[in-house]
Amino acid sequence: QQPVQSPQAVILREGEDAVINCSSSKALYSVHWYRQKHGEAPVFLMILLKGGEQKGHEKISASFNEKKQQSSLYLTASQLSYSGTYFCGTEDSGTYKYIFGTGTRLKVLA
Amino acid sequence: GAGVSQSPSNKVTEKGKDVELRCDPISGHTALYWYRQSLGQGLEFLIYFQGNSAPDKSGLPSDRFSAERTGGSVSTLTIQRTQQEDSAVYLCASSLNFRAIEDSPLHFGNGTRLTVT
Repeated sequence: QQPVQSPQAVILREGEDAVINCSSSKALYSVHWYRQKHGEAPVFLMILLKGGEQKGHEKISASFNEKKQQSSLYLTASQLSYSGTYFCGTEDSGTYKYIFGTGTRLKVLA
Repeated sequence: GAGVSQSPSNKVTEKGKDVELRCDPISGHTALYWYRQSLGQGLEFLIYFQGNSAPDKSGLPSDRFSAERTGGSVSTLTIQRTQQEDSAVYLCASSLNFRAIEDSPLHFGNGTRLTVT
């Protein structure tokens, strides 16, 4: 079942922080985060592994909630280049399908 | 090395015609995925390959859609008797290992924009 992301859209000023959530009805095994700019393909940002380890990006971090049914992506001191649509990617429980969340549109203004 | 390559980048076809979309993954990547993205929408899972095998075809929207992968490399997605609702961007991705979620993220091609008139 497709993870649900919140918020659906957010507008920030440059330098502000943002949090994007990815929620599942079942515990998440681990989560990848991607950013897709308009007219381009999604690009991998970072991975949050099942044990909480993170790999991938200096100014972007992520975490699980207590039940591991939600992952949150933290964007610190946002830059104009952070604008785009963010997707969480994970494995559909029991099927090995790699599926994406519903997406969050982020716009950073100068 | 080269990234994931998709061709054509754009395809305009008449309703009822068949189309073939091609994906050339990163060399050495064992897993290959197809997704569909309608304008302003999310990423709809279609099918994945582990080597040349597609373990689960349930994501294909109808029996007009089929996909194959040969030699553990190139994949083609075929849509027969295209309909206007098939218009979308078709994205291909590859990952080094099966079970991409285990620290083997997806690398995407630039997609094929299909327009059915």
